[in-house]
Amino acid sequence: EPEVTQTPSHQVTQMGQEVILRCVPISNHLYFYWYRQILGQKVEFLVSFYNNEISEKSEIFDDQFSVERPDGSNFTLKIRSTKLEDSAMYFCASSNIAGGQETQYFGPGTRLLVL
Amino acid sequence: AQSVTQLGSHVSVSEGALVLLRCNYSSSVPPYLFWYVQYPNQGLQLLLKYTTGATLVKGINGFEAEFKKSETSFHLTKPSAHMSDAAEYFCAVNSGNTPLVFGKGTRLSVIA
Repeated sequence: EPEVTQTPSHQVTQMGQEVILRCVPISNHLYFYWYRQILGQKVEFLVSFYNNEISEKSEIFDDQFSVERPDGSNFTLKIRSTKLEDSAMYFCASSNIAGGQETQYFGPGTRLLVL
Repeated sequence: AQSVTQLGSHVSVSEGALVLLRCNYSSSVPPYLFWYVQYPNQGLQLLLKYTTGATLVKGINGFEAEFKKSETSFHLTKPSAHMSDAAEYFCAVNSGNTPLVFGKGTRLSVIA
């Protein structure tokens, strides 16, 4: 069964460093998402992406964050200058069609720790 | 704005007992409701979803949930817990093209 994959599974970085989290969505999916979950808190939406541009973003997704689909398979989240509060589990998701009732398929997550 | 409240961050049941995980939502428009499960070191897997139609929804692994508009609830149940059901369970809501809004999750433990 097709699945969303994410690399790395864990990342430790120093505050102020740039990190890139990578995702490979399901191959025929067109809509891509990033969510994050700070330890003990809710899973929160960051950004959605379609047709090579951001379709929606939350207030969390400030200028420190960017997303890119550099080729036909990868979808990346970049944090330019990490802060302690960026420590979280980051989930990538993809769906075939936009629309609330369409299932979003999630990857296993990348656990980011900023020291 | 939409929101989800999951009552109980941790629920513990005996093997073979009824599982009941509670989810209440708030939405000003007709909601789409989802339950996801997360096993250790894995991603979020869809258990079931309600979009329209029948309010009792059956999902994988014997789970089901009932959409009750009057109670703004979408509780998840399973008649008989199995050890393999131990996981984190997330209720989520959206509508139209809006992103998923998640609850904080409920960790289910199953005791032999």
